[in-house]
Amino acid sequence: GQNIDQPTEMTATEGAIVQINCTYQTSGFNGLFWYQQHAGEAPTFLSYNVLDGLEEKGRFSSFLSRSKGYSYLLLKELQMKDSASYLCAVRDKPHGGYNKLIFGAGTRLAVHP
Amino acid sequence: EAGVVQSPRYKIIEKKQPVAFWCNPISGHNTLYWYRQNLGQGPELLIRYENEEAVDDSQLPKDRFSAERLKGVDSTLKIQPAELGDSAVYLCASSLWGDTGELFFGEGSRLTVL
Repeated sequence: GQNIDQPTEMTATEGAIVQINCTYQTSGFNGLFWYQQHAGEAPTFLSYNVLDGLEEKGRFSSFLSRSKGYSYLLLKELQMKDSASYLCAVRDKPHGGYNKLIFGAGTRLAVHP
Repeated sequence: EAGVVQSPRYKIIEKKQPVAFWCNPISGHNTLYWYRQNLGQGPELLIRYENEEAVDDSQLPKDRFSAERLKGVDSTLKIQPAELGDSAVYLCASSLWGDTGELFFGEGSRLTVL
């Protein structure tokens, strides 16, 4: 089956660094994605990892270890506008089927002054 | 460039009533998805279209839900009759082609069933 786990809530201070972890179990792993979702708004794409290692994009970085079924999203120099839910999503390709993006429940991050 | 457009943004109905949601994807995007997002949860795929063809509707409750994408552009999602448990945000998303994983979401249609 498929399972994606991430913490429900996190808090951090403006200007600090926060790491949001995600562990997953899928039958046909084919990439891991992070999305940001502000309250009442649509999810927006942040990052994509398909190979092991770190992908950096400005203040945001995402790491993947396929052997451990583990990823994290690193947010640096936190700003108040980073307060949002961060969704870990795994692209799963079951045998003989189509790619399917499966989302975790999301981690709600609150940034305080 | 216009994003994914959905309507209505909000809908309140009584149980057993029908409801329909409309989605206009980004121009040129062949792949269209309908997701349902319950409060505090991540989006769950209901159906995915490649042009006019529904290629994955395995999680669509077909006894009460239906969807169509005539001419491979706009799409409608219908629920008839609605149940209390259908209260959720219905998100439409599109991507250029195939399931690249980089989806562009609309703002969603928030349904409340009383």
